Amino acid sequence: QQQVKQSPQSLIVQKGGISIINCAYENTAFDYFPWYQQFPGKGPALLIAIRPDVSEKKEGRFTISFNKSAKQFSLHIMDSQPGDSATYFCAASVNTGGFKTIFGAGTRLFVKA
Amino acid sequence: NAGVTQTPKFRVLKTGQSMTLLCAQDMNHEYMYWYRQDPGMGLRLIHYSVGEGTTAKGEVPDGYNVSRLKKQNFLLGLESAAPSQTSVYFCASNPGLAGVGTQYFGPGTRLTVL
Repeated sequence: QQQVKQSPQSLIVQKGGISIINCAYENTAFDYFPWYQQFPGKGPALLIAIRPDVSEKKEGRFTISFNKSAKQFSLHIMDSQPGDSATYFCAASVNTGGFKTIFGAGTRLFVKA
Repeated sequence: NAGVTQTPKFRVLKTGQSMTLLCAQDMNHEYMYWYRQDPGMGLRLIHYSVGEGTTAKGEVPDGYNVSRLKKQNFLLGLESAAPSQTSVYFCASNPGLAGVGTQYFGPGTRLTVL
């Protein structure tokens, strides 16, 4: 019930294309769904996040789509750039005694120039 | 602000040795966390703290101990290192405010246990 399943494991996209990463969760108590971006040798950093009362959130080229009934959410990267090449983690958390966060396994994105 | 810092950046241990990883944050955050990152497994929570003097177990606590004697520091200890503890360890912090779920991560410690 605590799992967050992420797919695909890896993704290769041409420059200018759309990158799509999908996640599914089980626990309906989760109330915060962030995406983190991690470059090699660095710690993860928050990219964008959404709450379950919103179906979509857009920040620049990055959009989260959220389907509460299906318990799924996805990250879309529009006009993908080589600088977007990184590992992306979806996550789900609930603030019961500490904002514990469950992370997906990660997606390695490579954007070809 | 330095944010979240971790010491050391790299370490090689032999099986059975002990060590302590130090995490420090200068953002006055209430919550702090220790994760391990292994290929294909994302980040898994080891232990966490919701305030000075408190600690709690996460998803994979066995073989680790923690202490939070000061609000800004969170220590992760390995009493008797095993090869299975070879991993990259990340510390993170969170303000502890209602509705603020963002975790701020340190740069990581790469640990190899031979």
